[in-house]
Amino acid sequence: NAGVTQTPKFQVLKTGQSMTLQCAQDMNHEYMSWYRQDPGMGLRLIHYSVGAGITDQGEVPNGYNVSRSTTEDFPLRLLSAAPSQTSVYFCASSLRESNYGYTFGSGTRLTVV
Amino acid sequence: AQSVSQHNHHVILSEAASLELGCNYSYGGTVNLFWYVQYPGQHLQLLLKYFSGDPLVKGIKGFEAEFIKSKFSFNLRKPSVQWSDTAEYFCAFYSGGYQKVTFGTGTKLQVIP
Repeated sequence: NAGVTQTPKFQVLKTGQSMTLQCAQDMNHEYMSWYRQDPGMGLRLIHYSVGAGITDQGEVPNGYNVSRSTTEDFPLRLLSAAPSQTSVYFCASSLRESNYGYTFGSGTRLTVV
Repeated sequence: AQSVSQHNHHVILSEAASLELGCNYSYGGTVNLFWYVQYPGQHLQLLLKYFSGDPLVKGIKGFEAEFIKSKFSFNLRKPSVQWSDTAEYFCAFYSGGYQKVTFGTGTKLQVIP
């Protein structure tokens, strides 16, 4: 099993550009989420999904969009990149509710200049 | 608001020293507790988890954690650390419902050979 696959691993964007971070899992997990990790701030939840067609906002959703058309895929879209979105982004998945523990992807390091 | 406090931001130990990383959570109800580890340049991996029962939980690589409900704590311990334990450790708890996982800000552990 590949687990949770994120692409790309690294990305540099100019302010105002848009892009999509890809996340796919092959474990048939119902639950998927996106976090950003910033020094000294831990992980903060951006958006999450409890199943195909269902998404909701997390703690820091502004500037990001998500969709969940299939169980496997959960892309994160940056609409108009800003330097404040420079961060490491992690996708995570789990069986049903979050108390099973997450499987994380390897992360995307994004720099916005 | 629910939160997780990890008191030590950076810990430096020599090999074979004993480790204890503090974690306190702020929530009045039933929780599931987790420790995740992030090795340099890698994604987060689940180290151990507590759902119910014996408050002393054993995880991978010789780590254990003790849930003390009266102190709202879930400290991580290891009797003898190795250089390969150098990583960042995150405490997290789940308080029910969708996406109610709260992460601490992390503790960086550096083990000196």
